Amino acid sequence: GEDVEQSLFLSVREGDSSVINCTYTDSSSTYLYWYKQEPGAGLQLLTYIFSNMDMKQDQRLTVLLNKKDKHLSLRIADTQTGDSAIYFCAEDGNNRLAFGKGNQVVVIP
Amino acid sequence: GAGVSQSPSNKVTEKGKDVELRCDPISGHTALYWYRQSLGQGLEFLIYFQGNSAPDKSGLPSDRFSAERTGGSVSTLTIQRTQQEDSAVYLCASSLDLAKNIQYFGAGTRLSVL
Repeated sequence: GEDVEQSLFLSVREGDSSVINCTYTDSSSTYLYWYKQEPGAGLQLLTYIFSNMDMKQDQRLTVLLNKKDKHLSLRIADTQTGDSAIYFCAEDGNNRLAFGKGNQVVVIP
Repeated sequence: GAGVSQSPSNKVTEKGKDVELRCDPISGHTALYWYRQSLGQGLEFLIYFQGNSAPDKSGLPSDRFSAERTGGSVSTLTIQRTQQEDSAVYLCASSLDLAKNIQYFGAGTRLSVL
């Protein structure tokens, strides 16, 4: 089955880098995803990585995928106050997404 | 449309009433998904559609929940005889198709059952 685990809370100073980690269990996932959720809002797709890649960079975002350890991370460079949100990683399989519990990031000005 | 649209954005209902939640996917997206987000359970998958067909209903929490999709576009999620434990945010997503499973989400419907 799918089981995605994330740590819960991260506090970071504005301008520093943030790193959020996630482990997953379904090695047959095609893509792995990062979503952002701001208070009262839906899920915003931030980025995704194809399962045969090990890194993807998209502006301030860097995704690293370690398939051997089933570990996914998201690095946000130059973290800004607008990055304060809950971040969810997700894996696909069986025509659905399985999400972690989310990681709340609080950016301190 | 430009994005996934859900209505209503908020719904307050009394226990025992039926509610209908609506989702309008991104134009051209053939796959549509419903999820539920609650404090205790996190984000749970409910059901998906490919076109108008929902091959797997096993994610629906009980037989009070049903969903349909018509014309390969708009979908409605119906909850009959609502219970307090149905209170949650119901999220809809769509993707181009099941193979290209990059899912884009709507803002959700916040359901409160009193």
